[in-house]
Amino acid sequence: GAVVSQHPSWVICKSGTSVKIECRSLDFQATTMFWYRQFPKQSLMLMATSNEGSKATYEQGVEKDKFLINHASLTLSTLTVTSAHPEDSSFYICSARTGGIYSNQPQHFGDGTRLSIL
Amino acid sequence: AQKVTQAQTEISVVEKEDVTLDCVYETRDTTYYLFWYKQPPSGELVFLIRRNSFDEQNEISGRYSWNFQKSTSSFNFTITASQVVDSAVYFCALSEDNSGGSNYKLTFGKGTLLTVNP
Repeated sequence: GAVVSQHPSWVICKSGTSVKIECRSLDFQATTMFWYRQFPKQSLMLMATSNEGSKATYEQGVEKDKFLINHASLTLSTLTVTSAHPEDSSFYICSARTGGIYSNQPQHFGDGTRLSIL
Repeated sequence: AQKVTQAQTEISVVEKEDVTLDCVYETRDTTYYLFWYKQPPSGELVFLIRRNSFDEQNEISGRYSWNFQKSTSSFNFTITASQVVDSAVYFCALSEDNSGGSNYKLTFGKGTLLTVNP
């Protein structure tokens, strides 16, 4: 149980393109989803917390207009990297959590998306 | 502010050796949760264990065991009789009680790359 699917797993696109990444909880309802970014050989850095039906909460230093998050249903959150540039190239990984907004249940992670901007 | 330190950046062992991955944390909360996640080369994060701050019992799951000691703020992870398939990056993580509005966000350590050689 607690399977999280992330799509696509790999994206290569030109600079200036907008890229959408989907995160789905397949066998549970996720009121809260999280988006992380991971540079090579580094730890996961939280970008934003996404609660279903409300605006995402972004971490300090993360541009809201650059990284658009939509959590329209209890099983789907999307991250759109707008006008992507080479410095946006990274590994993006989402997680989802059972229970409500204040749940202390473990986060279950998707397989990640490797984004390469040329 | 919460902080997780994994002092061992890389560890290399030979198959069948036991190996311990260290994790030291800092938090001002009395209620918190500690986690270990495994990230194999394919990139996905696999949840291994969650421990709450009121439960100091050590836990064993097959070849894995965890030693939680509040006195030293440590939550170490031991793999007994290591196998090549254990090769991965292992992350220790902490989430604090939601009373501060943290929404149980995870703070990750920098990870320890474990290589198990045949």
